[in-house]
Amino acid sequence: GAVVSQHPSWVICKSGTSVKIECRSLDFQATTMFWYRQFPKQSLMLMATSNEGSKATYEQGVEKDKFLINHASLTLSTLTVTSAHPEDSSFYICSASRAQNQPQHFGDGTRLSIL
Amino acid sequence: KQEVTQIPAALSVPEGENLVLNCSFTDSAIYNLQWFRQDPGKGLTSLLLIQSSQREQTSGRLNASLDKSSGRSTLYIAASQPGDSATYLCAVRSPGTASKLTFGTGTRLQVTL
Repeated sequence: GAVVSQHPSWVICKSGTSVKIECRSLDFQATTMFWYRQFPKQSLMLMATSNEGSKATYEQGVEKDKFLINHASLTLSTLTVTSAHPEDSSFYICSASRAQNQPQHFGDGTRLSIL
Repeated sequence: KQEVTQIPAALSVPEGENLVLNCSFTDSAIYNLQWFRQDPGKGLTSLLLIQSSQREQTSGRLNASLDKSSGRSTLYIAASQPGDSATYLCAVRSPGTASKLTFGTGTRLQVTL
């Protein structure tokens, strides 16, 4: 069964809206989770590393004020796309692993469509 | 900076064939390598994880090998089935990068009847 749960799976909303995506590790504690973005027919692009109890680490070129990450507990990280615009439309996926020598497990992804 | 490449980008084979997918990485100092499959519009499903000290891992009809010194990994799929049709991604985890994965470009596999 799934070990990482992501919600919602699909969001359609108007331009200017803020959208929150949740990522939960179901049966283990994750001090670190990862957020990726995927464009059609392309591979995953790491956006940021979510660190429990501290600030997220963003990859170069990712706007931290646009993509707010909160990792308030060992089983939950959230990504909020603030004031979303059509160019933010994409497939967002989170991941976590029990330990560095364990497999990364991915959520089912969230398809975000901004009208 | 680690770069991961997969060839071919796309592959179509008839059902029953054995096939090999290739993954290469530029920096051999990796912690481990993981193979995933992704179905259209879905997240990633982990297939196999190979630690840097291992040479291969097997799960059912799948066998993944790792040659760290040459920066290569292969995923072998035996007796392919239409249900194997998906995009296959390899990803490497490098030491000292907070467990970040660097993904390859993916191979889109189509297994035909």
